[in-house]
Amino acid sequence: KAGVTQTPRYLIKTRGQQVTLSCSPISGHRSVSWYQQTPGQGLQFLFEYFSETQRNKGNFPGRFSGRQFSNSRSEMNVSTLELGDSALYLCASSRYQVADTEAFFGQGTRLTVV
Amino acid sequence: TQLLEQSPQFLSIQEGENLTVYCNSSSVFSSLQWYRQEPGEGPVLLVTVVTGGEVKKLKRLTFQFGDARKDSSLHITAAQPGDTGLYLCAGVNAGNMLTFGGGTRLMVKP
Repeated sequence: KAGVTQTPRYLIKTRGQQVTLSCSPISGHRSVSWYQQTPGQGLQFLFEYFSETQRNKGNFPGRFSGRQFSNSRSEMNVSTLELGDSALYLCASSRYQVADTEAFFGQGTRLTVV
Repeated sequence: TQLLEQSPQFLSIQEGENLTVYCNSSSVFSSLQWYRQEPGEGPVLLVTVVTGGEVKKLKRLTFQFGDARKDSSLHITAAQPGDTGLYLCAGVNAGNMLTFGGGTRLMVKP
């Protein structure tokens, strides 16, 4: 079966701009979680969506937002980009809760803010 | 904030050697997961340990969950170059969220 698809794979943006990243989960999976991975901070949880509702949220500023559509596809948006937002953004899908059932990660979107 | 500390951060060994990676926290987790991540890829789940004291084996990999469910270890026997990668532990808390450790970057030289 098809895996988790994240688009785009690479992105370069300028400070102050906004960006939207997309994640298509595995068919049948209703939970999508987003993570930010940086060399200094490691993998940090952003938020989780389940059936179009945000179920959990990490400790990130309000510039980071997300949503989930009825087909379980999810997008995350970062507004007013800062240099420190440069990171690999990963999404993970699971059938129910990411912590209860196996989570499958996408390849990530590498965002560079210049 | 629940923190997971992994050690060592980096490990470079020769093929055939054994190694152990540790994942420690002052918090209790309902379960703990281990992932391996290769360059350009997302993490891939290796195992989930749920019960305190639980030991799981996956070929040459042995995973142990501490009795108090605060720490875990990953032991690799006779490491091979294909084991090279970033190993991540992740604790599951009461809110069903994953908290990741900082990772252990393993390089196995032929």
